Amino acid sequence: DQQVKQNSPSLSVQEGRISILNCDYTNSMFDYFLWYKKYPAEGPTFLISISSIKDKNEDGRFTVFLNKSAKHLSLHIVPSQPGDSAVYFCAASDRGSGNTGKLIFGQGTTLQVKP
Amino acid sequence: DTGVSQDPRHKITKRGQNVTFRCDPISEHNRLYWYRQTLGQGPEFLTYFQNEAQLEKSRLLSDRFSAERPKGSFSTLEIQRTEQGDSAMYLCASSPVGASSGNTIYFGEGSWLTVV
Repeated sequence: DQQVKQNSPSLSVQEGRISILNCDYTNSMFDYFLWYKKYPAEGPTFLISISSIKDKNEDGRFTVFLNKSAKHLSLHIVPSQPGDSAVYFCAASDRGSGNTGKLIFGQGTTLQVKP
Repeated sequence: DTGVSQDPRHKITKRGQNVTFRCDPISEHNRLYWYRQTLGQGPEFLTYFQNEAQLEKSRLLSDRFSAERPKGSFSTLEIQRTEQGDSAMYLCASSPVGASSGNTIYFGEGSWLTVV
């Protein structure tokens, strides 16, 4: 039962253009969403998050959009840079159920930004 | 460096041997998590501690796996009688408790296990 899905295994964009990574979830109890970035042989690094009370959160070149009715979120990176090339994981949490902080991750999307 | 620290970074072991991984969380974080990641998949939750109490275990954590956090600081994850299917990256993460923290957890570099 994959509660968080990233249906695009890979994405390739040109440097300077926008990268859009998508994520869908099925559990309506999820109320906090995060994006992590991961380089090979390293642990995931926190990038940006959004609470379910918002529909947008922006941090520099990174913006996360949340559409609760569609159970969909997306990460926009603009402008994309070659150093952004990595695997991006979407994660979700249900802070109401005992608030354990446990995160459920998607399968990841490999982003390649070409110079 | 005050991030999450894991040791060893890489471990190659023969099938049937026992292995132990250590995690030192960020010092002020009282929550500690273990995750497992295999190629092509996202991290999968294994277990979670709040201080020294192990509060949740995934069904992925078979009887051969045991985790401890004896003093509420560092944690160990032991795998007994390793199998080839245990080959994965084992990730430790930590987070503070409190509404202001959201549920952002911070990962270590991971410990790669290869069972041959």
